[in-house]
Amino acid sequence: EDKVVQSPLSLVVHEGDTVTLNCSYEVTNFRSLLWYKQEKKAPTFLFMLTSSGIEKKSGRLSSILDKKELFSILNITATQTGDSAVYLCAVEGFGNEKLTFGTGTRLTIIP
Amino acid sequence: KAGVTQTPRYLIKTRGQQVTLSCSPISGHRSVSWYQQTPGQGLQFLFEYFSETQRNKGNFPGRFSGRQFSNSRSEMNVSTLELGDSALYLCASSVVGLAEAKNIQYFGAGTRLSVL
Repeated sequence: EDKVVQSPLSLVVHEGDTVTLNCSYEVTNFRSLLWYKQEKKAPTFLFMLTSSGIEKKSGRLSSILDKKELFSILNITATQTGDSAVYLCAVEGFGNEKLTFGTGTRLTIIP
Repeated sequence: KAGVTQTPRYLIKTRGQQVTLSCSPISGHRSVSWYQQTPGQGLQFLFEYFSETQRNKGNFPGRFSGRQFSNSRSEMNVSTLELGDSALYLCASSVVGLAEAKNIQYFGAGTRLSVL
Protein backbone atom coordinates (compact mmCIF):
# COMPACT_ATOMS: atom_id res chain seq x y z
CA GLU A 1 0.00 0.00 0.00
CA ASP A 2 1.27 3.46 -0.91
CA LYS A 3 2.42 5.58 2.03
CA VAL A 4 3.51 9.18 2.58
CA VAL A 5 5.07 10.53 5.77
CA GLN A 6 5.59 14.23 6.28
CA SER A 7 7.70 15.96 8.89
CA PRO A 8 7.53 17.98 10.97
CA LEU A 9 3.82 17.84 11.76
CA SER A 10 3.88 21.51 12.65
CA LEU A 11 6.36 24.33 12.49
CA VAL A 12 6.30 27.86 13.90
CA VAL A 13 8.85 30.36 12.61
CA HIS A 14 9.30 34.10 12.36
CA GLU A 15 8.73 36.09 9.22
CA GLY A 16 11.86 36.11 7.11
CA ASP A 17 13.07 32.70 8.21
CA THR A 18 13.74 29.85 5.79
CA VAL A 19 11.93 26.57 6.28
CA THR A 20 12.37 23.05 4.92
CA LEU A 21 9.48 20.61 4.86
CA ASN A 22 10.09 16.91 4.41
CA CYS A 23 8.20 14.17 2.63
CA SER A 24 9.17 10.51 2.44
CA TYR A 25 7.14 8.00 0.46
CA GLU A 26 6.56 4.44 -0.63
CA VAL A 27 4.65 3.90 -3.84
CA THR A 28 4.31 1.13 -6.41
CA ASN A 29 5.46 2.20 -9.90
CA PHE A 30 6.23 5.80 -9.00
CA ARG A 31 4.79 8.31 -11.42
CA SER A 32 4.89 11.66 -9.61
CA LEU A 33 5.09 13.49 -6.31
CA LEU A 34 3.03 16.61 -5.79
CA TRP A 35 3.03 19.43 -3.25
CA TYR A 36 -0.11 21.36 -2.37
CA LYS A 37 -0.81 24.30 -0.08
CA GLN A 38 -4.08 24.28 1.87
CA GLU A 39 -5.10 27.47 3.62
CA LYS A 40 -8.80 27.13 4.23
CA LYS A 41 -10.51 24.75 1.89
CA ALA A 42 -9.17 23.93 -1.55
CA PRO A 43 -5.61 22.55 -1.71
CA THR A 44 -3.80 24.63 -4.30
CA PHE A 45 -1.16 23.05 -6.53
CA LEU A 46 2.47 24.03 -6.00
CA PHE A 47 4.75 21.54 -7.73
CA MET A 48 4.78 18.23 -9.54
CA LEU A 49 8.06 16.30 -9.51
CA THR A 50 8.76 13.27 -11.61
CA SER A 51 12.53 13.25 -12.12
CA SER A 52 15.19 12.90 -9.49
CA GLY A 53 17.53 15.78 -8.78
CA ILE A 54 15.73 18.42 -10.81
CA GLU A 55 14.68 21.40 -8.73
CA LYS A 56 11.36 23.03 -9.38
CA LYS A 57 11.18 26.66 -8.38
CA SER A 58 8.48 29.28 -8.12
CA GLY A 59 9.41 32.54 -6.48
CA ARG A 60 10.49 31.86 -2.91
CA LEU A 61 9.36 28.22 -3.06
CA SER A 62 11.41 25.36 -4.41
CA SER A 63 11.25 21.60 -4.29
CA ILE A 64 13.45 18.67 -5.19
CA LEU A 65 12.94 14.94 -5.43
CA ASP A 66 15.32 12.09 -4.59
CA LYS A 67 13.93 8.92 -6.16
CA LYS A 68 16.73 6.76 -4.82
CA GLU A 69 16.14 7.72 -1.20
CA LEU A 70 12.38 8.15 -1.73
CA PHE A 71 11.94 11.63 -0.37
CA SER A 72 11.27 15.19 -1.35
CA ILE A 73 11.77 18.54 0.33
CA LEU A 74 9.92 21.81 -0.02
CA ASN A 75 11.90 24.94 0.79
CA ILE A 76 10.42 28.33 1.48
CA THR A 77 12.83 31.25 1.81
CA ALA A 78 12.14 34.69 3.31
CA THR A 79 8.82 33.45 4.72
CA GLN A 80 5.82 35.77 4.89
CA THR A 81 2.64 35.58 6.95
CA GLY A 82 0.79 34.57 3.78
CA ASP A 83 2.82 31.36 3.75
CA SER A 84 0.96 30.17 6.85
CA ALA A 85 -0.92 27.05 5.75
CA VAL A 86 -0.91 23.28 5.76
CA TYR A 87 1.48 21.89 3.16
CA LEU A 88 0.48 18.53 1.73
CA CYS A 89 2.66 16.03 -0.08
CA ALA A 90 1.09 13.35 -2.29
CA VAL A 91 2.31 10.55 -4.56
CA GLU A 92 0.80 8.78 -7.53
CA GLY A 93 1.76 5.51 -9.18
CA PHE A 94 1.35 4.53 -12.81
CA GLY A 95 -1.88 2.70 -13.46
CA ASN A 96 -3.25 3.81 -10.11
CA GLU A 97 -5.21 6.94 -10.71
CA LYS A 98 -5.24 8.28 -7.18
CA LEU A 99 -3.18 10.51 -4.95
CA THR A 100 -1.99 9.19 -1.60
CA PHE A 101 -1.50 12.08 0.79
CA GLY A 102 0.59 12.61 3.87
CA THR A 103 -1.01 14.17 6.93
CA GLY A 104 0.58 17.52 6.10
CA THR A 105 2.83 20.02 7.83
CA ARG A 106 1.12 22.97 9.50
CA LEU A 107 3.32 26.02 9.01
CA THR A 108 2.71 29.14 11.08
CA ILE A 109 4.60 32.34 10.34
CA ILE A 110 4.79 34.84 13.20
CA PRO A 111 5.08 38.51 12.13
CA LYS B 1 -11.07 29.59 -16.88
CA ALA B 2 -13.36 28.62 -14.04
CA GLY B 3 -11.98 26.29 -11.42
CA VAL B 4 -13.48 23.13 -9.99
CA THR B 5 -16.92 23.91 -8.60
CA GLN B 6 -18.49 21.93 -5.82
CA THR B 7 -22.04 22.28 -4.55
CA PRO B 8 -23.38 22.68 -2.00
CA ARG B 9 -20.65 24.23 0.14
CA TYR B 10 -22.23 23.15 3.41
CA LEU B 11 -24.66 20.42 4.34
CA ILE B 12 -26.20 19.33 7.60
CA LYS B 13 -27.87 15.93 7.71
CA THR B 14 -28.99 13.48 10.36
CA ARG B 15 -27.93 9.88 10.80
CA GLY B 16 -29.60 7.49 8.41
CA GLN B 17 -30.26 10.06 5.71
CA GLN B 18 -28.56 10.09 2.33
CA VAL B 19 -26.76 12.90 0.57
CA THR B 20 -25.64 13.78 -2.95
CA LEU B 21 -22.70 16.07 -3.63
CA SER B 22 -21.91 17.60 -7.00
CA CYS B 23 -18.67 18.48 -8.75
CA SER B 24 -18.16 20.37 -12.01
CA PRO B 25 -14.59 19.96 -13.26
CA ILE B 26 -12.48 22.56 -15.02
CA SER B 27 -13.56 22.84 -18.65
CA GLY B 28 -11.75 20.24 -20.74
CA HIS B 29 -10.84 18.05 -17.78
CA ARG B 30 -11.98 14.47 -18.18
CA SER B 31 -10.98 12.87 -14.90
CA VAL B 32 -12.72 13.57 -11.60
CA SER B 33 -11.52 12.23 -8.25
CA TRP B 34 -13.17 12.44 -4.86
CA TYR B 35 -11.43 12.64 -1.48
CA GLN B 36 -12.59 12.71 2.12
CA GLN B 37 -10.70 14.95 4.53
CA THR B 38 -10.99 14.57 8.30
CA PRO B 39 -8.73 15.86 11.10
CA GLY B 40 -7.85 12.32 12.15
CA GLN B 41 -7.29 10.62 8.80
CA GLY B 42 -6.25 13.48 6.54
CA LEU B 43 -7.09 13.30 2.84
CA GLN B 44 -8.25 9.87 1.74
CA PHE B 45 -9.09 8.77 -1.78
CA LEU B 46 -12.69 7.72 -2.44
CA PHE B 47 -12.89 7.07 -6.20
CA GLU B 48 -11.90 8.32 -9.62
CA TYR B 49 -13.96 8.60 -12.80
CA PHE B 50 -12.86 8.99 -16.39
CA SER B 51 -15.19 8.94 -19.40
CA GLU B 52 -18.10 7.96 -17.16
CA THR B 53 -16.24 4.88 -15.86
CA GLN B 54 -14.93 4.33 -12.36
CA ARG B 55 -11.26 3.47 -12.78
CA ASN B 56 -10.21 3.26 -9.16
CA LYS B 57 -11.83 3.01 -5.76
CA GLY B 58 -10.51 3.58 -2.27
CA ASN B 59 -11.20 1.61 0.89
CA PHE B 60 -14.60 2.96 1.73
CA PRO B 61 -17.82 1.01 2.35
CA GLY B 62 -20.39 0.51 -0.37
CA ARG B 63 -22.50 3.33 1.12
CA PHE B 64 -20.20 5.65 -0.79
CA SER B 65 -20.88 5.70 -4.51
CA GLY B 66 -20.41 8.03 -7.41
CA ARG B 67 -20.99 8.57 -11.06
CA GLN B 68 -19.81 10.74 -13.90
CA PHE B 69 -21.90 12.20 -16.67
CA SER B 70 -21.05 12.65 -20.33
CA ASN B 71 -20.10 16.30 -19.72
CA SER B 72 -17.57 15.10 -17.08
CA ARG B 73 -19.59 16.47 -14.18
CA SER B 74 -19.63 14.06 -11.26
CA GLU B 75 -21.77 13.30 -8.27
CA MET B 76 -21.07 11.29 -5.18
CA ASN B 77 -23.71 9.78 -2.96
CA VAL B 78 -23.52 8.63 0.62
CA SER B 79 -26.40 6.55 1.88
CA THR B 80 -27.38 5.73 5.46
CA LEU B 81 -25.21 8.48 6.89
CA GLU B 82 -23.20 7.84 10.03
CA LEU B 83 -21.70 10.34 12.45
CA GLY B 84 -18.24 9.39 11.21
CA ASP B 85 -19.10 10.57 7.71
CA SER B 86 -18.80 14.18 8.89
CA ALA B 87 -15.94 15.55 6.84
CA LEU B 88 -14.84 17.88 4.09
CA TYR B 89 -15.43 16.18 0.74
CA LEU B 90 -13.07 17.41 -1.96
CA CYS B 91 -13.31 16.91 -5.66
CA ALA B 92 -10.34 17.23 -8.01
CA SER B 93 -10.11 17.22 -11.80
CA SER B 94 -7.35 16.68 -14.31
CA VAL B 95 -7.00 16.61 -18.08
CA VAL B 96 -5.31 13.17 -18.35
CA GLY B 97 -2.65 12.56 -20.96
CA LEU B 98 0.96 11.67 -21.56
CA ALA B 99 2.36 15.10 -20.77
CA GLU B 100 3.23 15.60 -17.12
CA ALA B 101 1.08 18.69 -16.65
CA LYS B 102 -2.03 16.92 -17.92
CA ASN B 103 -2.12 14.75 -14.82
CA ILE B 104 -2.04 17.47 -12.18
CA GLN B 105 -5.16 17.31 -10.05
CA TYR B 106 -6.81 20.64 -9.26
CA PHE B 107 -9.12 20.79 -6.28
CA GLY B 108 -12.43 22.44 -5.59
CA ALA B 109 -13.26 24.20 -2.32
CA GLY B 110 -15.12 21.17 -1.03
CA THR B 111 -18.44 20.40 0.58
CA ARG B 112 -18.47 20.44 4.37
CA LEU B 113 -20.85 17.68 5.52
CA SER B 114 -21.99 17.55 9.12
CA VAL B 115 -23.95 14.52 10.29
CA LEU B 116 -25.92 14.97 13.50
